[in-house]
Amino acid sequence: EPEVTQTPSHQVTQMGQEVILRCVPISNHLYFYWYRQILGQKVEFLVSFYNNEISEKSEIFDDQFSVERPDGSNFTLKIRSTKLEDSAMYFCASLGQGESYEQYFGPGTRLTVT
Amino acid sequence: DQQVKQNSPSLSVQEGRISILNCDYTNSMFDYFLWYKKYPAEGPTFLISISSIKDKNEDGRFTVFLNKSAKHLSLHIVPSQPGDSAVYFCAAKLGGADGLTFGKGTHLIIQP
Repeated sequence: EPEVTQTPSHQVTQMGQEVILRCVPISNHLYFYWYRQILGQKVEFLVSFYNNEISEKSEIFDDQFSVERPDGSNFTLKIRSTKLEDSAMYFCASLGQGESYEQYFGPGTRLTVT
Repeated sequence: DQQVKQNSPSLSVQEGRISILNCDYTNSMFDYFLWYKKYPAEGPTFLISISSIKDKNEDGRFTVFLNKSAKHLSLHIVPSQPGDSAVYFCAAKLGGADGLTFGKGTHLIIQP
């Protein structure tokens, strides 16, 4: 069964450093998403991406964040200058085209900012 | 701003009995609702969904009920099995392929 994959599973970085989180969505899906979950809190939407551009973003997704689909398979989230409060699980999700709206999630990347 | 609320942080149910997980929402523009199951250190796994034009959707042991007038949905699992122990998230979306708004989750514990 096709699945969303994410790398790395755990990333430790120092405050102020740039990080890139990587995702490989399901191959025939067209919509891509990033979410985050701070420990003990709910899963929060960050951004959606379709047809090589951002289609929607939340208030959390400020100028420190960017997304890119550099090739036909990868989808990346970049945080330019990490802050302590960026420590969270980051989930990538993808959605195919059709009548159903079930987004399929990857296993997540745990980002720890020290 | 909690547009999707799951007011029970945890629920304990005996194996074989029915588990009922509840979810309330405030935004009447939500047009699609989903339930996800999550184990520790894994991503959310899609379980079942329902469109706002329906009031019930069933898939095996899982049934979701939607009461639009009350802005309430529930997930029924029957019979409950030990493998159902996980955190269950209710999620909703506004339109098209929008991002999902999640509730805080309910930790379901199935007791033998």
